[in-house]
Amino acid sequence: ETGVTQTPRHLVMGMTNKKSLKCEQHLGHNAMYWYKQSAKKPLELMFVYSLEERVENNSVPSRFSPECPNSSHLFLHLHTLQPEDSALYLCASSQDRGGVGTEAFFGQGTRLTVV
Amino acid sequence: DQQVKQNSPSLSVQEGRISILNCDYTNSMFDYFLWYKKYPAEGPTFLISISSIKDKNEDGRFTVFLNKSAKHLSLHIVPSQPGDSAVYFCAAKTIGTYKYIFGTGTRLKVLA
Repeated sequence: ETGVTQTPRHLVMGMTNKKSLKCEQHLGHNAMYWYKQSAKKPLELMFVYSLEERVENNSVPSRFSPECPNSSHLFLHLHTLQPEDSALYLCASSQDRGGVGTEAFFGQGTRLTVV
Repeated sequence: DQQVKQNSPSLSVQEGRISILNCDYTNSMFDYFLWYKKYPAEGPTFLISISSIKDKNEDGRFTVFLNKSAKHLSLHIVPSQPGDSAVYFCAAKTIGTYKYIFGTGTRLKVLA
């Protein structure tokens, strides 16, 4: 496996369900991200972890709960979601080199539909 | 307020001609800029980047130009190929932070 892998690719869940999205990076990076992409909107940064510590939390509702058990894995736990949470959820990773610009590498995303 | 703007939602270009995609930003603290390409049902893939100490960066058919005074950057694709048809996202960040801020994307269609 190479790059950034997300599972599942598609998820349909009811508003009362609890589910989790999983992300794994095989690039040796030290930062991982969750982004949300809704139709006709920019990619919205949700959470950032650096060395397993959360460094960004962009006013995301508490029904989204991230978890980063180690620098290679990132989860997004979902509960009591609303239909407007339906979107493409993208995981990314990057190697922070302390002052030198780097690019983020993205997974293929999870298409979430809340019914 | 959107800090990175791509004002053209779509662009059509003939194969072999130049494609020019534009991006504007408002935050003067941004010092690193990236372009990503996205095909349907896939995540964005990194294309090319430029730091604020440069005004041009070239990689094969792709060139990014940065005009700091105008807070504007553009991506040139020459010659355009049908396989370049995708959504292109502009992104910006401040070096040393983790926040990549993205635009809304421009859908490029290269006509054969």
